[in-house]
Amino acid sequence: VQLVESGGGLVRPGGSLRLSCAVSGFTFSSAGMDWVRQAPGKGLEWVALIYYDGIKTKYAESVRGRFTISRDNSKNLLYLQMNSLRVDDTAVYYCARHGNEWSRDHWGQGTLVTVSS
Amino acid sequence: QSALTQPPSASGSPGQSITISCTGTSSDVGGHDAVSWYQQHPGKAPKLMIYEVTKRLSGVPDRFSGSKSGNTASLTVSGLQVDDEADYYCTSYAGNDNLLFGGGTKLTVL
Repeated sequence: VQLVESGGGLVRPGGSLRLSCAVSGFTFSSAGMDWVRQAPGKGLEWVALIYYDGIKTKYAESVRGRFTISRDNSKNLLYLQMNSLRVDDTAVYYCARHGNEWSRDHWGQGTLVTVSS
Repeated sequence: QSALTQPPSASGSPGQSITISCTGTSSDVGGHDAVSWYQQHPGKAPKLMIYEVTKRLSGVPDRFSGSKSGNTASLTVSGLQVDDEADYYCTSYAGNDNLLFGGGTKLTVL
């Protein structure tokens, strides 16, 4: 099982960025997925989830209306579209696979998003 | 929902045992057997250690164990080793497709 995030970088406040998570080693179309972030020196914060079929999604209050989680099961790709970025969105963003009973059993290595003027 | 409450730090000497608590409410920790524990070394991704309160992921040493009483879950690490020094996070299902994280506990092996 492998999850590899990409798309992070430096962006100005108010800007946009799209993160990708390429997965392999399991049947992506059967797995729910999350984005979880970690601000520098801080704890983990759940950001968004998407179920296996892409129909049901859910967002943390802090990103609702600004971020959109989506997936392309034909390409084994998970996405996070981030709009209206704020300085406090600066973090390492991880994608994670849903495991048993709300655990997250596999994580990517993370991609750093820095929002700064 | 509020984050789950963990002590910010814990410490022990090699060979000792330590327990990290994770306190929630009857709507999350107390209401569901869906507590997980993650280990995170500096600069690395989190690693699932315990799920469904007590179950160890394959490959996790049996020195790591989980339990729950009421609204508080606990992670016990026995026979502490230097490599156990890391941050530990708990999570719990909180109903309505909500997943809560604890604030994390930094474990120092003295």
